[in-house]
Amino acid sequence: NAGVTQTPKFQVLKTGQSMTLQCAQDMNHEYMSWYRQDPGMGLRLIHYSVGAGITDQGEVPNGYNVSRSTTEDFPLRLLSAAPSQTSVYFCASRPQRGVMNTEAFFGQGTRLTVV
Amino acid sequence: SQELEQSPQSLIVQEGKNLTINCTSSKTLYGLYWYKQKYGEGLIFLMMLQKGGEEKSHEKITAKLDEKKQQSSLHITASQPSHAGIYLCGAHAGGSNYKLTFGKGTLLTVNP
Repeated sequence: NAGVTQTPKFQVLKTGQSMTLQCAQDMNHEYMSWYRQDPGMGLRLIHYSVGAGITDQGEVPNGYNVSRSTTEDFPLRLLSAAPSQTSVYFCASRPQRGVMNTEAFFGQGTRLTVV
Repeated sequence: SQELEQSPQSLIVQEGKNLTINCTSSKTLYGLYWYKQKYGEGLIFLMMLQKGGEEKSHEKITAKLDEKKQQSSLHITASQPSHAGIYLCGAHAGGSNYKLTFGKGTLLTVNP
């Protein structure tokens, strides 16, 4: 079982470039989410999805788009990268909606630098 | 929105010493999660506490949930260098089943 897989692990972008961070899980989890982690700020929720075709905004959604066409994949798109988006990005998944207390499984993270 | 405050922000201990990390919520806790993160890596699930007064242990790590105080504590006994890392507490935001919010983390250094 691979769990939650994020690609790439490292990326350097120039300001204004676009890219997609990939996230895939093979556990048939309904709930998936994206976080960014910055020094002194902890983990902040960007977007989340409770199932295929359903997405919603988290705490810091500006500058990011998501879609959920399949249960397995939840890509995060940066349309026009800005230096403020330099961060470590984590994708997480949880077993099912409707169940309150289930642990979240995290990917290994993508370290993004925007210059 | 629910906020989780962790204390201390960082902690340096000598190997073999005991330590405690606290996580205090601004709102009612509907379950509390503890994760550990090593530098440059993802989050590893440690424990989940669901009910007030609940206490769980795994190896030398014990976590407790005080629902009335809206607080959880993580206690490490006889710390080892392998315990070093960032400890994060997480909880469901405002009772939402979907949104997990996290504290800012506690950086633990264990000196041999």
